[in-house]
Amino acid sequence: QVQLQESGPGLVEPSETLSLTCTVSGDSISSNYYWGWIRQPPGKGLEWIGSIYYSGSTYYNPSLKSRVTISVDTSKNQFSLKLRSVTAADTAVYYCARAFVVVDHWGQGTLVTVSS
Amino acid sequence: QSALTQPPSASGSPGQSVTISCTGTSSDVGGYNYVSWYQQHPGKAPKLMIFEVTERPSGVPDRFSGSKSGNTASLTVSGLQAEDEADYYCSSYAGTNNFVFGTGTKVTVL
Repeated sequence: QVQLQESGPGLVEPSETLSLTCTVSGDSISSNYYWGWIRQPPGKGLEWIGSIYYSGSTYYNPSLKSRVTISVDTSKNQFSLKLRSVTAADTAVYYCARAFVVVDHWGQGTLVTVSS
Repeated sequence: QSALTQPPSASGSPGQSVTISCTGTSSDVGGYNYVSWYQQHPGKAPKLMIFEVTERPSGVPDRFSGSKSGNTASLTVSGLQAEDEADYYCSSYAGTNNFVFGTGTKVTVL
């Protein structure tokens, strides 16, 4: 059974970098799937942030591309998200997920608040 | 990339049916048979209900069904039950490792 678990700080100061890690269990991150990040601001809808293949190939949402980096660590079966220069508008629940033409497994989500 | 368009709300009485639309473009919904639907209860992660337009994952009741015509996909929930009250989001594969989500529909069971 595939499980994903997000981890990282729940509070980030404005202009700093948001960093989250997703640990995958029940599947190899080197399998034929993409591994992605999705966020949901409080009371709002879902937004695809971007994804990575185990080889390192990435896709980023054009609206966030200048601030986002997604990386993978196959030795730890983990992938990570970095979002730079955050503002209050980046406050959201961040989900990690597994995808291949469908996002079929999600983490439980972690709330990240941007505030001083 | 723009979010797929869904109605903000839909409702029905127990036992009735409700249909939610999801409108995109030829670059997403109309271009691929990879439309998915998710159910989200408050404070929970989205749950996959329909994938590849019409397919149900194991364990999803057959009261949930999907369809697509052109750039618009639809989710129908038949025989509404109290536990179906939730937010529903559509999603479409948009090529090259990219997905787009709908604006979300709140379904109320009257």
